[in-house]
Amino acid sequence: EAGVAQSPRYKIIEKRQSVAFWCNPISGHATLYWYQQILGQGPKLLIQFQNNGVVDDSQLPKDRFSAERLKGVDSTLKIQPAKLEDSAVYLCASSLDQQGVAQETQYFGPGTRLLVL
Amino acid sequence: AQKITQTQPGMFVQEKEAVTLDCTYDTSDQSYGLFWYKQPSSGEMIFLIYQGSYDEQNATEGRYSLNFQKARKSANLVISASQLGDSAMYFCAMREARDDKIIFGKGTRLHILP
Repeated sequence: EAGVAQSPRYKIIEKRQSVAFWCNPISGHATLYWYQQILGQGPKLLIQFQNNGVVDDSQLPKDRFSAERLKGVDSTLKIQPAKLEDSAVYLCASSLDQQGVAQETQYFGPGTRLLVL
Repeated sequence: AQKITQTQPGMFVQEKEAVTLDCTYDTSDQSYGLFWYKQPSSGEMIFLIYQGSYDEQNATEGRYSLNFQKARKSANLVISASQLGDSAMYFCAMREARDDKIIFGKGTRLHILP
């Protein structure tokens, strides 16, 4: 079974530029998550989709970050304009559609390492 | 208040020894799940083991076991017979049934010495 796919793996941009990340979840997984992981910290949830609807985006800096999941499968996360503090690893994860089930396991992709200069 | 606390920022362990990574959590929910993930230098988060709040027995997966002490709100990961490939960051995480978010701790960097 194929895992969660992400691209690109690495990206270097200058501040104020824009960048987009792509994620393809595990087939059949209805729930998709984007996390930001700053060096030395655990992942922080940015946004969660259930199919193509947003379940939680309370920690997404909406003035510069946006995300969409058209057709309930692939997702893109965009940053515009980027700031120095956006340098981080952006992880995508997916899980089966079992909201309210504590043991729902999330499976992660390899992440995109973003460096903003 | 932090929901997940990992007090060991880094650990050095001799190869083949057992190692315990500490994790304490904070929740008022009765139904919750606890997870451990491994993150090697490649960056991918690898799911290791899960423990449910209603599970009476400690979870085990191969060389990994979870020492679950509910009253103390502790969920330590035990790795038996450590290997060089176990060197990585390890994250403890919790998911409350009422909330679909998984909250991660800050992680413990484990170094296995030859």
